[in-house]
Amino acid sequence: ILNVEQSPQSLHVQEGDSTNFTCSFPSSNFYALHWYRWETAKSPEALFVMTLNGDEKKKGRISATLNTKEGYSYLYIKGSQPEDSATYLCAPSSNSNSGYALNFGKGTSLLVTP
Amino acid sequence: GAVVSQHPSWVICKSGTSVKIECRSLDFQATTMFWYRQFPKQSLMLMATSNEGSKATYEQGVEKDKFLINHASLTLSTLTVTSAHPEDSSFYICSARDSRTSGAPWETQYFGPGTRLLVL
Repeated sequence: ILNVEQSPQSLHVQEGDSTNFTCSFPSSNFYALHWYRWETAKSPEALFVMTLNGDEKKKGRISATLNTKEGYSYLYIKGSQPEDSATYLCAPSSNSNSGYALNFGKGTSLLVTP
Repeated sequence: GAVVSQHPSWVICKSGTSVKIECRSLDFQATTMFWYRQFPKQSLMLMATSNEGSKATYEQGVEKDKFLINHASLTLSTLTVTSAHPEDSSFYICSARDSRTSGAPWETQYFGPGTRLLVL
């Protein structure tokens, strides 16, 4: 089990603001990092999978970067909209008895108000 | 595509009863499914990995006789909480990996919406 820290724990921004949050994880034995977006009462939705140091992925207004040497990833949301309100989870993969497992942080809860 | 359903979405039961939770992949086959648990203000924690046609692999500290997992088909895994007690009250969520993938660490897991269990 990996120690995964996400910050901030929660965030409240106004519509149109840009925001970013952090995921920290052990830099040794890195395999991959997954970002998920989880709206209340719905299934977590896969956003990105990142594998290479320096990776940058983008999906609409959301982008993510990865630094495997220092063990962190940033998620950015440009021009936040109310529909971006959700909990954002990061999960680095690790080798376990049953193959590759996801190790989740506690998430960053984002609230975007009009 | 890649939809996973879970049933029931919530359940309340008396202490000592058993509860079965179903996880289905609706539009893909899943040789491997995962069961997670989340306590309030905590992260999703992997409980066990379920493989179709073979025994589940449990994470350290998870009692296999307490949490029975059956993965009898390529689209269905069930988790049975036997003789549930109040301390088993939690949020249980499953995920599935498409059988066509290799099981590499960058392969996506598709999640169900979860089941909230309250044991009185």
